[in-house]
Amino acid sequence: AQTVTQSQPEMSVQEAETVTLSCTYDTSESDYYLFWYKQPPSRQMILVIRQEAYKQQNATENRFSVNFQKAAKSFSLKISDSQLGDAAMYFCAYRSGSNAGNMLTFGGGTRLMVKP
Amino acid sequence: AAGVIQSPRHLIKEKRETATLKCYPIPRHDTVYWYQQGPGQDPQFLISFYEKMQSDKGSIPDRFSAQQFSDYHSELNMSSLELGDSALYFCASSLGWDSQSTTNYGYTFGSGTRLTVV
Repeated sequence: AQTVTQSQPEMSVQEAETVTLSCTYDTSESDYYLFWYKQPPSRQMILVIRQEAYKQQNATENRFSVNFQKAAKSFSLKISDSQLGDAAMYFCAYRSGSNAGNMLTFGGGTRLMVKP
Repeated sequence: AAGVIQSPRHLIKEKRETATLKCYPIPRHDTVYWYQQGPGQDPQFLISFYEKMQSDKGSIPDRFSAQQFSDYHSELNMSSLELGDSALYFCASSLGWDSQSTTNYGYTFGSGTRLTVV
């Protein structure tokens, strides 16, 4: 079974600064997808960024980028120019690419606080 | 754009009562997933349906059952409620069962139903 680990329960960043959230995972599969989801106080799960394991290029979405290290099974999220609206719970998630089921396995989450 | 609709938004039940949560997927989406997120925890996969058939089963208690109807909406039925069932229940929907379709067409979460058992 796959496991996802987020070792930072809480992180804090100054507005306009950059912060990196860590995520490691364990899998024996070679084909899979990785995601970062944001969960603000409204509790809505919002997709931030997605990475296909077969792609070597790191995904980027505006101020959000990932550092995907497949051999190390690491998938960190970098938020640049942090904004107050970035404050939320962030979950790293894994999904198999083998058509064995499209359920997501989540990490324990990292609470990001943004200081003005 | 239409999103995944869950009802009710909030639900309060007493121990040993039953509850029914509903999920209306994005139009044309044929796959529905249910997740449970306890207080301070990450979401845990419960069960999923594709074309009205159960496709995968996760950590769903035997007291819970679910189904997907001909219009693709899904209902999660919870009986003999316990205090530990208090959680946020998310539904997500996607189009197609293969992972490439799911990736191409998205995997969208609803806003969740907050169930409180007292």
